[in-house]
Amino acid sequence: GESVGLHLPTLSVQEGDNSIINCAYSNSASDYFIWYKQESGKGPQFIIDIRSNMDKRQGQRVTVLLNKTVKHLSLQIAATQPGDSAVYFCAENMDSGYSTLTFGKGTMLLVSP
Amino acid sequence: DAGVIQSPRHEVTEMGQEVTLRCKPISGHNSLFWYRQTMMRGLELLIYFNNNVPIDDSGMPEDRFSAKMPNASFSTLKIQPSEPRDSAVYFCASTNSPGAGPAYKTGELFFGEGSRLTVL
Repeated sequence: GESVGLHLPTLSVQEGDNSIINCAYSNSASDYFIWYKQESGKGPQFIIDIRSNMDKRQGQRVTVLLNKTVKHLSLQIAATQPGDSAVYFCAENMDSGYSTLTFGKGTMLLVSP
Repeated sequence: DAGVIQSPRHEVTEMGQEVTLRCKPISGHNSLFWYRQTMMRGLELLIYFNNNVPIDDSGMPEDRFSAKMPNASFSTLKIQPSEPRDSAVYFCASTNSPGAGPAYKTGELFFGEGSRLTVL
């Protein structure tokens, strides 16, 4: 799920499919990870978070998986809907004390009816 | 409930002019962040305030950029003089961190809708 130059990686799925968006994070010392969704013309919106003492966390229709061994994070969206079309960012927190986030470049999810 | 409010939503200016972007965080939040978003570099943290005090400004590109938070309900990001490479969408975000330390970290930042800046 990393971007190359000006082009975001894009995942195209059909409505009702399950979607998996991947992210490779950069810092092995990061202990807290978050997924955000950004719709066109809007600010990013929090989806779900996971701390490094967990390897899986579930929300409503979403699941985040964390593999610290290979520094990999994924977001699974069940029964994808057209309203899920957006750019998805993973973010990591590398600061021991504060809530500052470092964002990845994002993956665009396109859901066809 | 009102979210984070940013103004202006769009700004077009000429190189060399001063630009001031404004942010009203969510009432009760004690942490405020300014981010810049471009296609090339994605979302970059510029500066972070906690309880109105700048904690980390290492992301501020250069001396042309300055940010202030005179009170808990208002912050500004100023660019003087502006340059074409400053063209981007600038986001303000806020959250409530009840303390400093690992136990108080939150990843749930509330973003405004952004200020799109174009410098000609």
